[in-house]
Amino acid sequence: GNSVTQMEGPVTLSEEAFLTINCTYTATGYPSLFWYVQYPGEGLQLLLKATKADDKGSNKGFEATYRKETTSFHLEKGSVQVSDSAVYFCALYNNNDMRFGAGTRLTVKP
Amino acid sequence: GAVVSQHPSRVICKSGTSVKIECRSLDFQATTMFWYRQFPKQSLMLMATSNEGSKATYEQGVEKDKFLINHASLTLSTLTVTSAHPEDSSFYICSAPRRAQETQYFGPGTRLLVL
Repeated sequence: GNSVTQMEGPVTLSEEAFLTINCTYTATGYPSLFWYVQYPGEGLQLLLKATKADDKGSNKGFEATYRKETTSFHLEKGSVQVSDSAVYFCALYNNNDMRFGAGTRLTVKP
Repeated sequence: GAVVSQHPSRVICKSGTSVKIECRSLDFQATTMFWYRQFPKQSLMLMATSNEGSKATYEQGVEKDKFLINHASLTLSTLTVTSAHPEDSSFYICSAPRRAQETQYFGPGTRLLVL
């Protein structure tokens, strides 16, 4: 079946630090992969996506590359800001089935 | 702007009553919608897949008689929490896929509090 395994948090970083949140998946075929972000008190928002192998999704300084050989979609940002504090969810969509990782809470301190 | 809406955004009800939550895709048709539940500081849990014109598909452990789902049209799915109890208090979120199912749009969520 389809599943997503995401690095557990919480993660606490200082401003301008480098961020990596690991995400690996299990799926048959060719799923689409996503990162969603949930800011405090708000609903989920799509952060970035990739729909095929070797695609790189990017948005707001965040990037993630769809690696089929390692079944991974790690989220990275070179320099985090306080405003990036949120919960990040890795997700996949495959054959009308959507699965989420457990979420990683990121706190960025000034 | 929002492409998936939910109503109501917040509801407080007495134990034993039923609560209906609507999920609408605003400018696209969705033959499939998903219903999730989110507990505080935890991940989303997929409850069921709502299918227009057919029965919903429920995840293991989700009581279909308690969480009634009706996909009445290509833009509307409803989740009814029947005979709600305090343990049903949670944040319920729907989503709908768009553009050949490459992207999911999420509703803003409905916070249910059962007293």
